[in-house]
Amino acid sequence: VLTQSPGTLSLSPGERATLSCRASHSVSSNFLAWYQQRPGQAPRLLIYGASSRATGIPDRFSGSGSGTDFTLTISRLEPEDFAVYYCQQYGNSRLTFGGGTKVEIK
Amino acid sequence: EVQLVESGGGVVRPGGSLRLSCAASGFTFEDFGMSWVRQAPGKGLEWVSGINWNGGSTDNADSVKGRFTIFRDNAKNSLYLEMNSLRVEDTALYFCARERPWGYFDQWGQGILVTVSS
Repeated sequence: VLTQSPGTLSLSPGERATLSCRASHSVSSNFLAWYQQRPGQAPRLLIYGASSRATGIPDRFSGSGSGTDFTLTISRLEPEDFAVYYCQQYGNSRLTFGGGTKVEIK
Repeated sequence: EVQLVESGGGVVRPGGSLRLSCAASGFTFEDFGMSWVRQAPGKGLEWVSGINWNGGSTDNADSVKGRFTIFRDNAKNSLYLEMNSLRVEDTALYFCARERPWGYFDQWGQGILVTVSS
């Protein structure tokens, strides 16, 4: 089970966002991905392998962590970053997502 | 440009059946595993079914095991999801997604809505 916190993060453009994803068991080989989903759109891959940015993702997005605790950091929020973010563990036959964190404009 | 386009959704009664399709273009389809991921209205993401590059290995979430079947036709660059014995709780937007090694998703379709209602 992946637990994301907080459920909602209220911040202003330009601020730093720190999102947490905690796993109930250690995630093997740091097989942890992050996705962004804007309203009415499909999810978009941001981070894989816990810390590797996907193609075309701005460097204000960074991922860190290992074992059971992972973090997605957005260094300075841009208007287009206000969205829902999901973590996902992979590497075994049961691919699971966290419940999501909504980043909203304060 | 990679494109994944889902089709086949609609409204169906509980106990009914539906087949979803996903047409892939812009990449070598047979080189990639594929999955279906769904999202119930206002809820989060749930992986549903996955298939390896040649269809020789498939897996399903416990919630759909025995009811849904994933398969592919590499000659037609297409992915499918056969859904039987549909339940109200299967109502969701269904996404087709391209898998990278070990199971994260780097490309997604726009999704197709399936509504199960009497």
